Amino acid sequence: DAKTTQPNSMESNEEEPVHLPCNHSTISGTDYIHWYRQLPSQGPEYVIHGLTSNVNNRMASLAIAEDRKSSTLILHRATLRDAAVYYCILRDRYNQGGKLIFGQGTELSVKP
Amino acid sequence: DAGVIQSPRHEVTEMGQEVTLRCKPISGHNSLFWYRQTMMRGLELLIYFNNNVPIDDSGMPEDRFSAKMPNASFSTLKIQPSEPRDSAVYFCASTSSTSSSGNTIYFGEGSWLTVV
Repeated sequence: DAKTTQPNSMESNEEEPVHLPCNHSTISGTDYIHWYRQLPSQGPEYVIHGLTSNVNNRMASLAIAEDRKSSTLILHRATLRDAAVYYCILRDRYNQGGKLIFGQGTELSVKP
Repeated sequence: DAGVIQSPRHEVTEMGQEVTLRCKPISGHNSLFWYRQTMMRGLELLIYFNNNVPIDDSGMPEDRFSAKMPNASFSTLKIQPSEPRDSAVYFCASTSSTSSSGNTIYFGEGSWLTVV
């Protein structure tokens, strides 16, 4: 499985945008880029995913570099409830029943 | 939908006892995963099933761990005998493998196991 690299931790102020980076230089052409987050004392939850184009949903935006070797999860206005560990994960598009392999993720803290 | 349902939510047991964790995946999902989370090792995939068949159990720590999926709506993870180092949060997750657009995996709330 291709690996991802994320900073261990990041800080943000409430109501400011947050950009969470992820490097995946060994990504293959069939890998989707998935982001999950884990709030304290909860299971991981889906945030967003993409293949080549930038993606938006109600939770966040995903900006994917043109060469697909990196991506950025964007929270447009961080709230205290966004404090969580954010995981960037690659997943083969042809193996949709397949596993998610979690790295260490980025622990985001949000200051009021 | 009720989501992925796990039981028990919390369990404290003595070393040497058998522990059985249970999972009901989301109706219609045909892939099921068992993960374990500890501070030291993070989230580790233990085993996953597709259409009730174990596909990859390479993450199962040792013979003390076993998992079954007798039907599409139920799975168990058993530890026998349990040891203090098995203390962790165990997550069950499910998804449907039929879509081609990158399926979401849904996680349960976890079973918090303490072995003393």
